[in-house]
Amino acid sequence: GAVVSQHPSWVICKSGTSVKIECRSLDFQATTMFWYRQFPKQSLMLMATSNEGSKATYEQGVEKDKFLINHASLTLSTLTVTSAHPEDSSFYICSASSHGTSGTSYEQYFGPGTRLTVT
Amino acid sequence: QKEVEQNSGPLSVPEGAIASLNCTYSDRGSQSFFWYRQYSGKSPELIMFIYSNGDKEDGRFTAQLNKASQYVSLLIRDSQPSDSATYLCAVNQEGGSEKLVFGKGTKLTVNP
Repeated sequence: GAVVSQHPSWVICKSGTSVKIECRSLDFQATTMFWYRQFPKQSLMLMATSNEGSKATYEQGVEKDKFLINHASLTLSTLTVTSAHPEDSSFYICSASSHGTSGTSYEQYFGPGTRLTVT
Repeated sequence: QKEVEQNSGPLSVPEGAIASLNCTYSDRGSQSFFWYRQYSGKSPELIMFIYSNGDKEDGRFTAQLNKASQYVSLLIRDSQPSDSATYLCAVNQEGGSEKLVFGKGTKLTVNP
């Protein structure tokens, strides 16, 4: 399957600072990447859809000024958590969409995730 | 509101048995169906996808799709303790969208 990397795998930051998370598709070009958040023992929550060269589309309730997404190339998307607070502590996971085997479908492959702790 | 429903479990099976995981979806226009496995503290891993009605087999895994009933399932044969994880069903939205709607997942435990 397709490989997606994320960096860093974990980060601890102080309240009020910003943190940038990188997501890369290593062996394929991804026109679309997705950013999810997952709290302990809860299901995945889609935060935003990121398309190369255009503005991200945010899900309802997600603050776009707080979670800045940049999709600069077909293999790289970044999520910046600005002015982080303890309630932003979570597991952030990106995924990249790869054109599927059926010709019209897409398959989503996840990165390993970034565990953010805000103190 | 497009929904994907799964039994949250936990589902417990003995080693060597068949584990059966079920999923229903509300969007009749969905075209692509996925099963992800998520170990505790890790990100989801794609293990099966199916686009056509019927069965699709890959090793010990079989995905079954019935679009008329809006039902997709995953069978795991000869279950192993290493299969213990949460299994997420995901369905794309109408129109071939790349965006997926996820179920809340079924926690599977395989007992040695």
